[in-house]
Amino acid sequence: QVQLVESGGGVVQPGRSLRLSCAASGFTFSTYALNWVRQAPGKGLEWVAIISYDGSQIYYADSVEGRFTISRDNSKNTLYLQMNSLRAEDTAVYYCVRRVGGIPFDYWGQGTLVTVSS
Amino acid sequence: QSALTQPASVSGSPGQSITISCTGTSSDLGSYNFLSWYQQHPGKVPKLIIYEVTKRPSGASNRFSGSKSGNTASLTISGLQAEDEADYYCCSYAGPSTFGHVVIGGGTKLTVL
Repeated sequence: QVQLVESGGGVVQPGRSLRLSCAASGFTFSTYALNWVRQAPGKGLEWVAIISYDGSQIYYADSVEGRFTISRDNSKNTLYLQMNSLRAEDTAVYYCVRRVGGIPFDYWGQGTLVTVSS
Repeated sequence: QSALTQPASVSGSPGQSITISCTGTSSDLGSYNFLSWYQQHPGKVPKLIIYEVTKRPSGASNRFSGSKSGNTASLTISGLQAEDEADYYCCSYAGPSTFGHVVIGGGTKLTVL
C-alpha cells in the first residue's frame, strides 16, 4: 500500500535551517508529482510547494519562496524540503502529499512537526 | 495567491442537509475544474471526499456531493450524521497551468447538533 513517512522535524531557532525528508513506498515514486502541505497548530491547511515527477517543474507558495527548496531523489524514493531562514510562523505539521492527475492531494503522510522558537 | 474563502463554521441537525461554499477568483477556482474537498477529523490526516468538482473517490460516502458555478464551489452533505462533524477544506489549482500553484480554503468547521 502507499506509504509516505516524513522525518526531520524538531525544534529550531528562528533564522536557522532544517531539512525534512519523506520516504515513499508502495508505488512507483518516479512517476508522481509530490507536494508539501503544512498546518500550523489549530489552523488550516496551507500548500507549501510542489515538484513534478522528474523534478523539472517546481512551484512555491509566496510565503516560502526564496527560503524553502523542494527536491527529490528518485533513486532513493525520497522527497525533501530544505527550509532556511525559519520564522516563528513556519511552525506547523508538515505533510508530504502525493498528487495524481486532477487530484492535488491524493495520499498523505502522517506529518512531522516543526517548531520554530528561541 | 490568496486562500479560497469558506465560512468559518456551519451546523446542522442529524438527518438534515448542509452546504459549504468555497469562493475563489477567475485565476484559480474559476479557471479549472479541478476543485477538490477534504475532510479532517481532529488529530487525523485530511481525507479526500470530492475531486474534479463532482467526483467521489472510492470509499467516500454518497452523501457528499459537489458543484461549481463560476468562481464559487459548494459541498453538500445530505443526511447529516454525527461522524460528519469535522473540518472541511476546498482546494483548487491556481496556475500557471494545471500543474502549478495550489490554493486551499481557510476551512469550515461542521458541527452536528
